[in-house]
Amino acid sequence: QKEVEQDPGPLSVPEGAIVSLNCTYSNSAFQYFMWYRQYSRKGPELLMYTYSSGNKEDGRFTAQVDKSSKYISLFIRDSQPSDSATYLCAMTINQAGTALIFGKGTTLSVSS
Amino acid sequence: DGGITQSPKYLFRKEGQNVTLSCEQNLNHDAMYWYRQDPGQGLRLIYYSQIVNDFQKGDIAEGYSVSREKKESFPLTVTSAQKNPTAFYLCASSSTPGGAGELFFGEGSRLTVL
Repeated sequence: QKEVEQDPGPLSVPEGAIVSLNCTYSNSAFQYFMWYRQYSRKGPELLMYTYSSGNKEDGRFTAQVDKSSKYISLFIRDSQPSDSATYLCAMTINQAGTALIFGKGTTLSVSS
Repeated sequence: DGGITQSPKYLFRKEGQNVTLSCEQNLNHDAMYWYRQDPGQGLRLIYYSQIVNDFQKGDIAEGYSVSREKKESFPLTVTSAQKNPTAFYLCASSSTPGGAGELFFGEGSRLTVL
């Protein structure tokens, strides 16, 4: 079983839809959870950052972490064509000698 | 402007040749990383360095080598031993070793083996 599982999609939605992106993980020691957004032929950029369990909201984006279920989500409200990108979940235990583990990424397309 | 610069952006190589990808950062970050990205595979860690003159293998280090002689530079050599080197390579840095800090990525280098 891979450490981080993420459905690669692709996911196509109309403008204005609510989008739900998800990842599951197997290592219960993960404590730091992130979502990166990557536009085509560009490097990823950090979108959301959450420590431990709970919700975090930033504008149209909400990140949720459920450590009991080993499940994280990213919700996008009122989706826009500019949200069309690949979304990568990432997580770490943050100990010396470790690095971020990424999911495979979900490709999202929002049509106008 | 602070950031990470990768070069070249596109590179073509013949089979059997070594090639070195450059990564320079002016963010004064201690930690630097190399990831490989293939369609449908996400980002896979090749090597990382959390301090100058020290580096560790990631999940797919075979056929690659790195050096970290200066804080701002972390070049990656793709050797002829790498069986399937055609991929998109991403360099990143972070102020926080251990992975919990934000990773800042370069624009990537696309390597094609002919």
